[in-house]
Amino acid sequence: EVQLVESGGGLVQPGGSLTLSCAASGFIFSGYWMNWVRQVPGKGLVWVSQMNTDGSITRYTDSVKGRFTISRDNAKNTLYLQMNSLRDEDTGIYYCAKDREWNSLDSWGHGTLVTVSS
Amino acid sequence: DVVMTQTPLFLSVTPGQPASISCKSTQSLLNTDGNTYLHWYLQKPGQSPQLLLYDVSSRFSGVPDRFSGSGSGTDFTLKISRVEAEDVGVYFCMQGLHYPLSFGGGTKLEIK
Repeated sequence: EVQLVESGGGLVQPGGSLTLSCAASGFIFSGYWMNWVRQVPGKGLVWVSQMNTDGSITRYTDSVKGRFTISRDNAKNTLYLQMNSLRDEDTGIYYCAKDREWNSLDSWGHGTLVTVSS
Repeated sequence: DVVMTQTPLFLSVTPGQPASISCKSTQSLLNTDGNTYLHWYLQKPGQSPQLLLYDVSSRFSGVPDRFSGSGSGTDFTLKISRVEAEDVGVYFCMQGLHYPLSFGGGTKLEIK
C-alpha cells in the first residue's frame, strides 16, 4: 500500500523558514516524479513544486521561485520542501503527491499545516 | 498561465440521479503525442484529494464505472450516472500539460 507521510509544518513568522518532509513507502520511490500541492483549508488546490526521479528537473509555481527548494533523497525514500522568506500567502496545508504519469497525482499524503503569521 | 474554470460551484443531487460538472481551460490541453492531459479529483470531507479520472476519461484503479469523463481541447465534463451518498465532496479538475500546473476552483457536491 502506498503511503506518503508529511511532517515539518508549524507556525512561523513572516520571513521565517521551514523544511517539510514527505516519507514515502509502498512503492519504488526513485521511479516516480513527486509534487507538493498547497490548500488553504476549505479552499482550492494550488500546485507548488515538482521534481523528477533523479532530482535533475525541478519546477515551481512563480510565487515561490527563489524562495522554495524541492529536493529528494531516494536512498531515504523522502521528498523535501525547503521554504524560505515565508509570506502570509504561503499559509496552508501542504500535500505531498505521487505523480502517476503526466501529472496525474495518484497518491496524496494527509498533509502538513503551515501557518505564516506574526 | 492556464486558468481552469469549473461550473457549477455547487451541486445538490438526489441519490440515483445524474450529475455533471464542466471544466474549461484557457489553453488547449491536447499534447503533440495525441493525448489530452486533463485529470479529475475528488476530495471527500476531511480527506486528501483522490484521483478519479486521468487523461480526460480513464478511470483510476477502483473508481466505479458510474464516473465518466469526456471532452477535448479546452472543454471537459465529468459525469456521474447515478449519484450515491459516498460521492459527496469537492470535485477538482486539473490540467497536466502546461507549467505551472493548475486546478479548477472546485465543485461541491451534496446529497439532497
